[in-house]
Amino acid sequence: AQSVAQPEDQVNVAEGNPLTVKCTYSVSGNPYLFWYVQYPNRGLQFLLKYITGDNLVKGSYGFEAEFNKSQTSFHLKKPSALVSDSALYFCAVREGGSQGNLIFGKGTKLSVKP
Amino acid sequence: DTAVSQTPKYLVTQMGNDKSIKCEQNLGHDTMYWYKQDSKKFLKIMFSYNNKELIINETVPNRFSPKSPDKAHLNLHINSLELGDSAVYFCASSLGGRAGEQYFGPGTRLTVT
Repeated sequence: AQSVAQPEDQVNVAEGNPLTVKCTYSVSGNPYLFWYVQYPNRGLQFLLKYITGDNLVKGSYGFEAEFNKSQTSFHLKKPSALVSDSALYFCAVREGGSQGNLIFGKGTKLSVKP
Repeated sequence: DTAVSQTPKYLVTQMGNDKSIKCEQNLGHDTMYWYKQDSKKFLKIMFSYNNKELIINETVPNRFSPKSPDKAHLNLHINSLELGDSAVYFCASSLGGRAGEQYFGPGTRLTVT
């Protein structure tokens, strides 16, 4: 069965510092991996995805994520955090080539302080 | 223009009532979804539907039923509402094989009293 783990409930970062939000996954085949962001009282917004190719994927708002097959991880990163990045971040996985649905992690709250 | 819209935004109702939430997408997508987000922000797929197939999460009570009058709409009907149904319900859509890249609506906050 597919699963996603986001080990941190909350990540606190000072503005201007780099940020990392962690995600590990488990699928039986090749993974399709995604990051979504949810601002308060809003729906989720797609940030970026890894399907195949380069392990470093760039997405919206300056975010990037690194796929690491040996560690089954897909951590979200940003070189310099902004206060406006404060939100809830969800990692999601789908087994490649399948018709299965996305499986979401429990979410990580990112708080960026001035 | 709003890509995925839901109505109503807020819904307060009493136990035992029947209610519907409407969803419309103007993206030309062929697959639509309903998710439930609970008070702890856990996000659970309830249904996915395209013009060929309805996939139901087996944990969803049969009091919940999706209804799709056409490809641009997927409404959620709930019978005999219970206190535990209180949550935020999100509609989403995607295009065919890009099923992981979904566009979400703003959500409907359902409160059952």
